[in-house]
Amino acid sequence: AQRVTQPEKLLSVFKGAPVELKCNYSYSGSPELFWYVQYSRQRLQLLLRHISRESIKGFTADLNKGETSFHLKKPFAQEEDSAMYYCAPNSGGYQKVTFGIGTKLQVIP
Amino acid sequence: KAGVTQTPRYLIKTRGQQVTLSCSPISGHRSVSWYQQTPGQGLQFLFEYFSETQRNKGNFPGRFSGRQFSNSRSEMNVSTLELGDSALYLCASSLAGTSEETQYFGPGTRLLVL
Repeated sequence: AQRVTQPEKLLSVFKGAPVELKCNYSYSGSPELFWYVQYSRQRLQLLLRHISRESIKGFTADLNKGETSFHLKKPFAQEEDSAMYYCAPNSGGYQKVTFGIGTKLQVIP
Repeated sequence: KAGVTQTPRYLIKTRGQQVTLSCSPISGHRSVSWYQQTPGQGLQFLFEYFSETQRNKGNFPGRFSGRQFSNSRSEMNVSTLELGDSALYLCASSLAGTSEETQYFGPGTRLLVL
């Protein structure tokens, strides 16, 4: 069965510290991989996509096919990074996104 | 370009009732997906529609149904409401609903079942 695991429900880091939000997936084939973010009182929105290989707001995500992981990283956390983060693999050709349970990132000033 | 809109934003119903939620996608988007968001389960996929056809379905009981109209607007219906149906229901749209496309989310409809 297709599954995504975000092992941490809550991750607290100090401002300026490195951040790593973990995501492991269990999928047949090669899923497309996304990270979505939901800031307080805002709608869920795309943060970055594996296919774009870009860095958004200082975040990057590396696909490790061997470990089936797609961890989200940022070298120096900012207070405005506090939000819910969802790892979202998508497979099967069409939209049937399986979201992880989400990790709440809390950046402590 | 206007974003995804959902109506109503809040609903209070009692057990056994039914409810219909509406979603208007971004203009030009033909794929609409629905999700249920709860604190315990996170975001769970309900179904996806494209060109008035349901293409994908999640693991929800038959009480959850949906449809899509020719203008791509979509509705979701939940019959015989249960307390556990209390959740934030999100819809998302994309151009063609392929797996590599970004989804654009609406603000959600918060449903409370008493």
